[in-house]
Amino acid sequence: QKEVEQDPGPLSVPEGAIVSLNCTYSNSAFQYFMWYRQYSRKGPELLMYTYSSGNKEDGRFTAQVDKSSKYISLFIRDSQPSDSATYLCAMGSSGAGSYQLTFGKGTKLSVIP
Amino acid sequence: KAGVTQTPRYLIKTRGQQVTLSCSPISGHRSVSWYQQTPGQGLQFLFEYFSETQRNKGNFPGRFSGRQFSNSRSEMNVSTLELGDSALYLCASSVGQGTDTQYFGPGTRLTVL
Repeated sequence: QKEVEQDPGPLSVPEGAIVSLNCTYSNSAFQYFMWYRQYSRKGPELLMYTYSSGNKEDGRFTAQVDKSSKYISLFIRDSQPSDSATYLCAMGSSGAGSYQLTFGKGTKLSVIP
Repeated sequence: KAGVTQTPRYLIKTRGQQVTLSCSPISGHRSVSWYQQTPGQGLQFLFEYFSETQRNKGNFPGRFSGRQFSNSRSEMNVSTLELGDSALYLCASSVGQGTDTQYFGPGTRLTVL
């Protein structure tokens, strides 16, 4: 079993739809969680960073963490064509093995005008 | 503040050659991490440097090595290139604490023929 599982998609939605992206993980040592967005031929760009279970909102983006279920989500409201990208979840721990992130393989999202 | 820069952006090499990639972190960041990104495996951690010391290393063969200079700039080297080393190599910088946000550069796309 991989440490982080993420459905690769592709996911295609109409403009204005609510998008839900998810990752599951198996390592209980993961304590902080991130979502990155990666456009084609670019490096990953940080979208959201959370350290605790619960919800965190930033504009149209909401990150949700459920440590008891080892499940994280990213919701995008009122999706726009400019949101078309690959979304990567990433996780890290602060103990041994810290200073590295473990990534999901990414979900490719297309928002159709 | 300038972002993370990586040079060169594109590189073509043949099997058996060696290659050196360079990364300049965000000003004030002392930690540099390297990742390999391929379609099949996604983003995989190579190693992380802080104050010229390697703090953590991923599960890659010894052909992959790196170093960090006193100005925090980092280089990674791959010797005896194999076809499977074709990938996007990403560098990320952070202030240096284990739970810090990592900011990525645009990557170096290496093609091995």
